[in-house]
This record gives sequence, structure tokens and C-alpha cells, in this order.
Amino acid sequence: NAGVMQNPRHLVRRRGQEARLRCSPMKGHSHVYWYRQLPEEGLKFMVYLQKENIIDESGMPKERFSAEFPKEGPSILRIQQVVRGDSAAYFCASSGTGDSPQETQYFGPGTRLLVL
Amino acid sequence: EDQVTQSPEALRLQEGESSSLNCSYTVSGLRGLFWYRQDPGKGPEFLFTLYSAGEEKEKERLKATLTKKESFLHITAPKPEDSATYLCAVHNRDDKIIFGKGTRLHILP
Repeated sequence: NAGVMQNPRHLVRRRGQEARLRCSPMKGHSHVYWYRQLPEEGLKFMVYLQKENIIDESGMPKERFSAEFPKEGPSILRIQQVVRGDSAAYFCASSGTGDSPQETQYFGPGTRLLVL
Repeated sequence: EDQVTQSPEALRLQEGESSSLNCSYTVSGLRGLFWYRQDPGKGPEFLFTLYSAGEEKEKERLKATLTKKESFLHITAPKPEDSATYLCAVHNRDDKIIFGKGTRLHILP
């Protein structure tokens, strides 16, 4: 399967716990994007990363949220001390090869986070 | 502020009844407009990218068109399996991708 992979597909956490969401981009892609989707809402951009670099994190809350895309392994979106308002579907997308992103982004199946 | 507005929010059609979905946009320096299809519980599936006014692209029963202010996704003789939420997004000159809220399309057999 050469598509974008995300795991887990579903994640349940209690308030105050940490959530770790993983994303493996499409083979050959070096640009990763994270989005959040609430019911009846559009996809909201959170963060854009290249290998070992955060390019744009303007859509990510300053507190409790962080993202990384290490040289080896998947991209990680980390939410510390989760609150009920963090419940949403989180999607990862990837694009591009080399140093230049290509506009078309390909999405993974998403991780549905439920905070109890 | 750049915006993407999709209409209608929801649309019910009989099988075979052709129609169009609208995506109106206000964007600083359009670099591309995208259409995606999203099924319940799944990630968006890429359909088309349009880059300039007058451009058209087709795939099976779908055709996307672009003007300077809006894009249309025309669906011809739809089938029940075309039921999904259709998302429009724009790529602006600041390298931001901005999504609309989508149109929920339901095709009745």
C-alpha cells in the first residue's frame, strides 16, 4: 500500500492524558500536513512539516500541541493533557518530492480522537 | 481574509438527475483549486486540480470547471455510489490551503 497511512484509526483518551497520532506519508513524499476536522466543519490546517523541519505551524494551538517529522520514521502529532474540545478527526496529508512541495495533497484515513 | 464557500450544504438527487455543486472563493493569488471526495469515516480522496480560469477537467461522471470567482463540479447522470461529501479547497500565494465546509451529496436509487 503506497498511500498515506495513519494510526491508530481510533483513539480514546481521558482528560489530562496524552494523545500521539502517527502518519507515514506516501512513498517518495517529503512534505506532511496535519488537519483537524470537526463535525459539520471544514478541514482546518494545523501544521506543515518537511523532514526534521517545521515549515508552518500557524494553525496549531500554542499550548499542548506539538508535531515532528524525524529523519527516520513517521510524523507525530502530539497532544498533551487532552481536553474534551480536542475530540475530532485528525487527518494527515502528504505531497511533493525533494525540496519543493507540489500543491496536490493526498490524505490518509484519519485518526478519530475521543476524549472522555 | 481568504475564504471558500460551498453551496448547497446538502443536495439530494434521484439517480440519473444531473446537477452542479458550487465553490465560491476569495483568495489572494490563486495557485490552484482542488476538489476532493470524502466518504463517511474516511479521508478526502483527491479528484481534480484546476490552475487557471477556463480550465476544465473530467473524470467519469464528474467535470470540474473554474472561473475567476468560482468553480463548479458538474455531476452527470449520478449513481448512488456517487453519494459523498465533496470538498473544495484553494491554494493561495502564502502557500496556505483553505477548505470549504463541503457539500453532502445523496443520490437516491
